[in-house]
Amino acid sequence: DADVTQTPRNRITKTGKRIMLECSQTKGHDRMYWYRQDPGLGLRLIYYSFDVKDINKGEISDGYSVSRQAQAKFSLSLESAIPNQTALYFCATNGRGGEQFFGPGTRLTVL
Amino acid sequence: DAKTTQPPSMDCAEGRAANLPCNHSTISGNEYVYWYRQIHSQGPQYIIHGLKNNETNEMASLIITEDRKSSTLILPHATLRDTAVYYCIASGTYKYIFGTGTRLKVLA
Repeated sequence: DADVTQTPRNRITKTGKRIMLECSQTKGHDRMYWYRQDPGLGLRLIYYSFDVKDINKGEISDGYSVSRQAQAKFSLSLESAIPNQTALYFCATNGRGGEQFFGPGTRLTVL
Repeated sequence: DAKTTQPPSMDCAEGRAANLPCNHSTISGNEYVYWYRQIHSQGPQYIIHGLKNNETNEMASLIITEDRKSSTLILPHATLRDTAVYYCIASGTYKYIFGTGTRLKVLA
């Protein structure tokens, strides 16, 4: 089984809808991250969490919110989706050694 | 965390060494240099990291200059499967800013 899983893998939604992307990890890591990737571009950090009670904004947090429900779970929400939030979203975890482990990604399309 | 600068693209012949440079001239003493790669639209894959000493693992070697202002990732015998976007990151805070990376194309 994969160490970092993301659900759903693909999602098509309409403008104005609320969307939640979920991430789970079995690595026992405290640190978790959400990134966004637009076509042909690098990854941009949305939010990150160093433990259950710690949430931090990244480079591009506007229009997004997160919830760290447990050490193993970190969810990303789009309260009112807009077309320019169409992107590939990655969740990642990070242990003590600094190495990040990424999920397979969620491809989100907002019409 | 220090900003990194990488060339947007590079080509390398299959079987030859691929040397990918990264500039991090404002790096501070506690910041590590990390390298990741992303193949197509998969999640990025960790390659190697280091602080000031050169590092080697089964995937690659990392050469960091003595002043730590730049580094080079070396893939000793590039294969077609090494075609990917390679990201260099400087971080001491566990907050990783990926940038746009170097698109490496390995040519047959």
